[in-house]
Amino acid sequence: EPEVTQTPSHQVTQMGQEVILRCVPISNHLYFYWYRQILGQKVEFLVSFYNNEISEKSEIFDDQFSVERPDGSNFTLKIRSTKLEDSAMYFCASSMGLVNYGYTFGSGTRLTVV
Amino acid sequence: RKEVEQDPGPFNVPEGATVAFNCTYSNSASQSFFWYRQDCRKEPKLLMSVYSSGNEDGRFTAQLNRASQYISLLIRDSKLSDSATYLCVGDSGGYNKLIFGAGTRLAVHP
Repeated sequence: EPEVTQTPSHQVTQMGQEVILRCVPISNHLYFYWYRQILGQKVEFLVSFYNNEISEKSEIFDDQFSVERPDGSNFTLKIRSTKLEDSAMYFCASSMGLVNYGYTFGSGTRLTVV
Repeated sequence: RKEVEQDPGPFNVPEGATVAFNCTYSNSASQSFFWYRQDCRKEPKLLMSVYSSGNEDGRFTAQLNRASQYISLLIRDSKLSDSATYLCVGDSGGYNKLIFGAGTRLAVHP
């Protein structure tokens, strides 16, 4: 079964450092997403990406965040200057079509900011 | 008001029991709905889509009531392996994102 791959599985970083979280979506999918889940809380939308541009972003996705699809397979989330409150599980997801298809999620990157 | 609201539980049930979860959504423009399952510290996994006509997948039955903006999930003959958090999910009324409820925790015991 096709899967979404995320690396690394766990990253520890110092406050103020930049991190890049990487994702390889399912190859024939066209829509890409980042979500995050703070421990004990719900899964929160960050950003959606289609046709090489952001289609929607949440209030959480401020100027510290950016996304990129540098080649035909990778989809990255960059946090420029991490804060303690950025500690969370970050999930990448992809979808073949619009939301009615549902999403396939990657196994996540656990980001710990110290 | 929360966009997708669920009873957090936990629901503690014995093996073989039937359990039902409910969910309400606030955006009347939402069109697509799903139930996802999430195990502890794992990614959400799509369990099933939810249709107005109701749909069944083995022991799982999902139902959508658009008039009441209400979604349900019924699990029959619960197994130990059903223990997880069940996430009610709907679209935002646009095409670009899914909104997740906070989840209902199920614990099935022997």
